[in-house]
Amino acid sequence: EVQLMESGGGLVQPGGSLRLSCAASGFTFSNYYMQWVRQVPGKGLVWVSRITNDGGVTNYADSVQGRFTISRDNAKNTVYLQMNSLRAEDTAVYYCARDFNFTLDYWGQGVLVTVSS
Amino acid sequence: HSALTQPASVSGSPGQSITIPCTGTSSDVGGYNFVSWYQLHPGKAPKLIIYDVSNRPSGVSNRFSGSKSGNTASLTISGLQAEDEATYYCSSYTSSGTLVFVFGGGTRLTVL
Repeated sequence: EVQLMESGGGLVQPGGSLRLSCAASGFTFSNYYMQWVRQVPGKGLVWVSRITNDGGVTNYADSVQGRFTISRDNAKNTVYLQMNSLRAEDTAVYYCARDFNFTLDYWGQGVLVTVSS
Repeated sequence: HSALTQPASVSGSPGQSITIPCTGTSSDVGGYNFVSWYQLHPGKAPKLIIYDVSNRPSGVSNRFSGSKSGNTASLTISGLQAEDEATYYCSSYTSSGTLVFVFGGGTRLTVL
C-alpha cells in the first residue's frame, strides 16, 4: 500500500525557517518524481514544487522561488521542503504527492504550517 | 487568481448528473492530455479520480468520467450520491513560464 506521511509543520514567526519531510512507503521511491502542493485554509490547491526521481531537476512556483528548496534522500525514501524567509501568506496545509507522468496519484494527509508572530 | 477556471459551486439531487468545467489555455489544458481531477473531503488526503483527461484509476467508480474539448476539460458525475459531496479540483501540466503544474480554484459540490 502506497503511503505518504508529512511531518515538520508548526508555528513559525515571519522570516523564520521550517523543514517539512515526507516519508514514503509501499513503492519504489527512487522511480518517481515527487511534488509539494499547498492549500491556504478555505482556499484552493496551489502547486509549490517538483523534484525528479534522481533529484537532478527541481522546479518551483514563482511565489516560493529563491526561498524554498525541495530535495530528496532516496536511501531514506523521503522528500523534503526547506522553507526559509517565511511569510504570513505561506500559511497553509502542505501536501506531498507522488507524481506519475504529471498525475498526482497518491497524496499525504498534509501538514499545517502557520506563519505568525 | 487560479490558472484554471472552475465554477465555485454546483449542486444536484441524488441520482442526477452534474458536470464541472475547467477552462485553461493552449499552454495547459488545450495543449496537453495531462488533465487530472481530484476529490477533497475535509480532513482527508486528496484523492485522484480522473487522469490523462478521461482515465479512471482502479477503484474509482465508473460514475465519474472526464472529457476535453479545446481549452476546456470537464468532469461528469452521474447518479449522484451523498458521498460525492466534496470539493473537486482540476489540474494540468503547463508549459507557461516556470510553472509545471496548475490547479483550478476548486468546485464545491452539494448533493441536495
